[in-house]
Formats: sequence, structure tokens, C-alpha cells
Amino acid sequence: QVQLVQSGSELKKPGASVKVSCKASGYTFTRHAVNWVRQAPGQGLEWMGWIKTDTGNPKYAPGFTGRRLVFSLDTSASTAFLQINSLKAEDTAVYYCARVDYGSGIFMDVWGKGTTVTVSS
Amino acid sequence: SYVLTQPPSVSVAPGKTAKITCGGNNIETKTVHWYQQKPGQAPVLVIYFDRDRPSGIPERFSGSNSGNTATLTITRVETGDEADYYCQLLDSSDHNWVFGGGTKLTVL
Repeated sequence: QVQLVQSGSELKKPGASVKVSCKASGYTFTRHAVNWVRQAPGQGLEWMGWIKTDTGNPKYAPGFTGRRLVFSLDTSASTAFLQINSLKAEDTAVYYCARVDYGSGIFMDVWGKGTTVTVSS
Repeated sequence: SYVLTQPPSVSVAPGKTAKITCGGNNIETKTVHWYQQKPGQAPVLVIYFDRDRPSGIPERFSGSNSGNTATLTITRVETGDEADYYCQLLDSSDHNWVFGGGTKLTVL
């Protein structure tokens, strides 16, 4: 069946980097863009940006521009990655990947279970 | 950037109808989607294109969009419907995705 499997929880120190993976199965990976969504503890959903899986082109949301955030792909492994550099305490959150609908490209029809990233000294 | 406004909470008795609103400037000209998120779980799409239901979503869930308000309606509410609900759209002016702040549905 169609699913997105994310990597496990991470505990990192401030200033470190983390790379979260999102492995797709059950569909043609390059037909659907992948969104990344952040949810800080007790907060709502926040769109971080997306990556087009056919071209590898990323788009970062206004609040997530800058070089700390990197979206990437390994299309041979049907996997999308989110890397966050120079981690800060406020990066502590659950990070979700989500498949973008192919036809319209304007909603997310399949979500990963989320990866918890905790940043603490 | 476009802003979506949701009430923080809605309460409803079992068996009754819940309406969760999502306000935005002239939102009827845009296409709104809704997600349900139960505690400790990932969001699930419940309504897309204002009013369409993905397979597996009960007919009790419906959506509408008019004027400055989109609405998610849940009829014959069950305790299992307790969750946070988020509206979302893609702002065509800047191609950014926007979420509402979320509404916590409590079934009394």
C-alpha cells in the first residue's frame, strides 16, 4: 500500500545537524512532490516547504529560508530528506513528510508518521 | 501572505452536528482542504477541494466554502471524532501553502 516511512526520533545538541528521511513505497516516487511540515510541541501545523521529486527543485516557506534547511532526494531509493543545520532549542518539534496530490498539486493525501527531533544540551 | 483563522475550540455532544470554520479574505475564490489529527498521530486528509471526501472517510464529514468562510461539518458526532482539525490552502499569489491555526473538537 501507499506509505511514507520516516526515520526514528533524534536527540541532538544545539549547533549539531540532523537529517530526517522519508521513504516512499507503493507508488511512483517521482510523480508526487513531497511537503515537509513542522509541529512544535502543543502547536499547530506549519508548512516548511516542498521538493519536486521529478526535478529535485526545492521551495522553502518564507519562515524557513536561509541555509539552515536543506531538502534533498535519493530517487533511486524513493527517499526524501530534510536536513536542519545549526540546531537550536526552538527546532524541537515533530517533522512530517507528506505526499502532494498528483492531479492538482494543492493538498496532501498521504502523510508519514512523523519524526521527533529534540534539541537539548 | 494569506491568513486562515480558525476558532481554537469547538464542543459538541455525541450525536449532534459540529461545524468548524476557517476564515479568510474572499476564501470562496480559493480551494480549501481539511485534515484531522488525533493525539499522537499524523494528520489525515478528510476533505479536499472544499467538499470532496477521500475514500474511507465517513459521509458524516462534509465541507463547504462561501464568502469569507469555509466550513467543515461533522454530523452525528462520535467520541472517535475528537481531534484537532486544520484547514489548508495553496495561495496562488505566492505559491505558499497555508494552514489555519487548528481547532480542537471536544465531544462532551
